[in-house]
Amino acid sequence: SYAVTQPPAVSVSPGQTASVTCFGDKLGDKYVSWYQQKPGQSPVLVIYQDFKRPSGIPERFSGSNSGNTATLTISATQAVDEADYYCLAWDSNTNYVFGAGTKVTVL
Amino acid sequence: QVTLRESGPALVKPTQTLTLTCTFSGFSFTTSGVCVSWIRQPPGKALEWLAIIDWDDDKYYSTSLKTRLTISKDTSENQVALTMTNMGPVDTATYYCASGDCDSYNFDHWGQGTLVTVSS
Repeated sequence: SYAVTQPPAVSVSPGQTASVTCFGDKLGDKYVSWYQQKPGQSPVLVIYQDFKRPSGIPERFSGSNSGNTATLTISATQAVDEADYYCLAWDSNTNYVFGAGTKVTVL
Repeated sequence: QVTLRESGPALVKPTQTLTLTCTFSGFSFTTSGVCVSWIRQPPGKALEWLAIIDWDDDKYYSTSLKTRLTISKDTSENQVALTMTNMGPVDTATYYCASGDCDSYNFDHWGQGTLVTVSS
């Protein structure tokens, strides 16, 4: 079955750029969305269809997807962005699959 | 605005069947393109997609759990139910329902989640 992999953790200094990757076979051919989850809270959609940003999500969140890798980029990272981030891919055979999540720490 | 709320037992015994209900507002299955899904998260672990149902009553399941899952909807009551058979301790998790546009392949609204513990 289809699977996607994420790095367990990413560290970033305030004001710098954080990149969270999601890797899967021919992932660029699939729809990818990204979710932010803070402790004790439900996930929040931050990017959908690879690069689209829902209303209310800050412009510092952006996404891309090509080849085997999708990337969530957080520009000018703020302390409030510290959270777990999950990628979600849709595959016609497996349907939906989540990555294992990446903990973004703002040092 | 869109809201979703999960309900069901907080504690089930091993081998029992779990039934959860998602009650939502702000959208309806009478609208083409509406999807509602169930997702779970064991304590301290990752999200896991379980099942999805669309406005046309099409249903899809996680390949690893499909023999244990049944998803259904009640359009008039704005509810989606999930049953999971033969519960075991590894099924202890927070169970979320989430909604979205089927054609967007994402979930833009989530419930608060309900913690289900499997223990004798």
